[in-house]
Amino acid sequence: DVKVTQSSRYLVKRTGEKVFLECVQDMDHENMFWYRQDPGLGLRLIYFSYDVKMKEKGDIPEGYSVSREKKERFSLILESASTNQTSMYLCASSLWRGQARTDTQYFGPGTRLTVL
Amino acid sequence: AQSVTQLDSHVSVSEGTPVLLRCNYSSSYSPSLFWYVQHPNKGLQLLLKYTSAATLVKGINGFEAEFKKSETSFHLTKPSAHMSDAAEYFCVVSTLAGGATNKLIFGTGTLLAVQP
Repeated sequence: DVKVTQSSRYLVKRTGEKVFLECVQDMDHENMFWYRQDPGLGLRLIYFSYDVKMKEKGDIPEGYSVSREKKERFSLILESASTNQTSMYLCASSLWRGQARTDTQYFGPGTRLTVL
Repeated sequence: AQSVTQLDSHVSVSEGTPVLLRCNYSSSYSPSLFWYVQHPNKGLQLLLKYTSAATLVKGINGFEAEFKKSETSFHLTKPSAHMSDAAEYFCVVSTLAGGATNKLIFGTGTLLAVQP
């Protein structure tokens, strides 16, 4: 079974703090993704990575950065947390089989971040 | 651009009655479509996916969905609801992204309640 783990289930931070959210997958997947989930908005893609040290902006990258130094690990960084970044953050991974094929994304349990 | 619209934000059914969750999609080419389920305080789990092999797709837990190109729909059904089906359901379409990777576009979700 594919396993995607996230470092924390719940996190409380103060405005202006630097926040790191960690995600690890154990299936040697090339692709990794970070989403945020807000009520009524579904999931929105923040950043994704298709290889080590490679990253691409998603639909809402403002206020976030990412790091992928190893294939199995993908970190989301909030450089200076703000209250509007209070949300559920979900990490996912998938195999890369070329542009013509879509592979299932496997999700972690999520991190509920509250910024005070 | 690819998009999905989930037509109901909330659906309530009685245990043992059929479930219908509606989803319309917009795509400029033959899409890959998914349904994911999220139980309370859990990550997302893949229910089923359509990738042009067969228009009727069977998934886990007795769910199925039918791809109808003429109606641009991909509705999720189950003949008989169970209490454990109470969850939020997301209709998802795949689209091309950077690095020859596919990314997912999520609908806003349908919350299914099952009454005893």
